[in-house]
Amino acid sequence: NAGVTQTPKFQVLKTGQSMTLQCAQDMNHNSMYWYRQDPGMGLRLIYYSASEGTTDKGEVPNGYNVSRLNKREFSLRLESAAPSQTSVYFCASSEEAGTGLEAFFGQGTRLTVV
Amino acid sequence: DAKTTQPPSMDCAEGRAANLPCNHSTISGNEYVYWYRQIHSQGPQYIIHGLKNNETNEMASLIITEDRKSSTLILPHATLRDTAVYYCIERGQGAQKLVFGQGTRLTINP
Repeated sequence: NAGVTQTPKFQVLKTGQSMTLQCAQDMNHNSMYWYRQDPGMGLRLIYYSASEGTTDKGEVPNGYNVSRLNKREFSLRLESAAPSQTSVYFCASSEEAGTGLEAFFGQGTRLTVV
Repeated sequence: DAKTTQPPSMDCAEGRAANLPCNHSTISGNEYVYWYRQIHSQGPQYIIHGLKNNETNEMASLIITEDRKSSTLILPHATLRDTAVYYCIERGQGAQKLVFGQGTRLTINP
């Protein structure tokens, strides 16, 4: 089992460029999440998807869009990258709380916007 | 949405028990307490969770007070590899959202 796979692992963008971060999970989880983590800080929720076909804003959604392509895949798009979006981005998947099934995280995408 | 409070940092000697506190004074009856940790710059890793009763697994023990307003994660014999940021999270039954706070940076010293 691969768990949660994120691509790419590293990316450098110029200000104003666009890109899509890809995330796929093979655990048949309903919920998927995108977080960003700035240096020395905790994880902040950008968007999440409780099930296929639904998405909701998290704590810091501005400047991002998401697509829940199917149950396996949840992508994060930066339409016009800004230096403030330089961060490490983590994708995660889980079932709802109480099922005993914990959340699993990908290894992160390190994005630098210059 | 992160309603838990944790100390920003703690130190512990290698081989000793590390006890990490978490306050969740507004927790409701159907909310679980989850613990995750993040080693260096890796993705967070699940440790343990509980509702009312104390829990133990191969990684740690979770002690929840009777009033459920606080809990303690115990790493019984800390090693250098346990150096990480530890996050305590409330999560209600059926909740889909998963929000992290700032966590506790635990440093295990040789």
